[in-house]
Amino acid sequence: DADVTQTPRNRITKTGKRIMLECSQTKGHDRMYWYRQDPGLGLRLIYYSFDVKDINKGEISDGYSVSRQAQAKFSLSLESAIPNQTALYFCATSDLGDSRAGELFFGEGSRLTVL
Amino acid sequence: AQSVTQPDIHITVSEGASLELRCNYSYGATPYLFWYVQSPGQGLQLLLKYFSGDTLVQGIKGFEAEFKRSQSSFNLRKPSVHWSDAAEYFCAVGALSGGGADGLTFGKGTHLIIQP
Repeated sequence: DADVTQTPRNRITKTGKRIMLECSQTKGHDRMYWYRQDPGLGLRLIYYSFDVKDINKGEISDGYSVSRQAQAKFSLSLESAIPNQTALYFCATSDLGDSRAGELFFGEGSRLTVL
Repeated sequence: AQSVTQPDIHITVSEGASLELRCNYSYGATPYLFWYVQSPGQGLQLLLKYFSGDTLVQGIKGFEAEFKRSQSSFNLRKPSVHWSDAAEYFCAVGALSGGGADGLTFGKGTHLIIQP
């Protein structure tokens, strides 16, 4: 089984619908991240969390919200989806240890299409 | 704020030829530097990373990268590419202070095409 699991892997929805993307991890990492990938733009950080009580906005948080339900679970919500939120979304985790500090471990991605 | 520039959007290389992918970063202090690879339909896999010490770092799949502070560069190299190296490659920078906790900033990626 994957260490970082994202559900759903693919989703097609309509403008105005509420969507939740879920991420769970078995790596025991405290830090979790949500990134968005668009062709030609690379990956951009949406939100990140250090623990269940610590949520931080990233570069492009507008239109998104997150919830850290437990150390192992971090969900991303689009309250009212719009077409320009069509993208590939990645969840990632990282460790606090010095030897691996900063290194991100990625899920396989959730492809969202908003019609 | 940190930033990463990958000047080449696409690169085409013949199988067996050498490869160099360019990466320039902007960051006011000592950075963490990473190269990730994304195969079609897959997530991102770490190729190699630089934190400190030897400026030439070795990674998986025969890749290496050299950190040049004076040029703010972290170019990725491979002496002989294989068809399976065709993928999207991302350079990323993180802040050394705080242990990279604030996440990584990624370049826009370089798409590598391998010609037979």
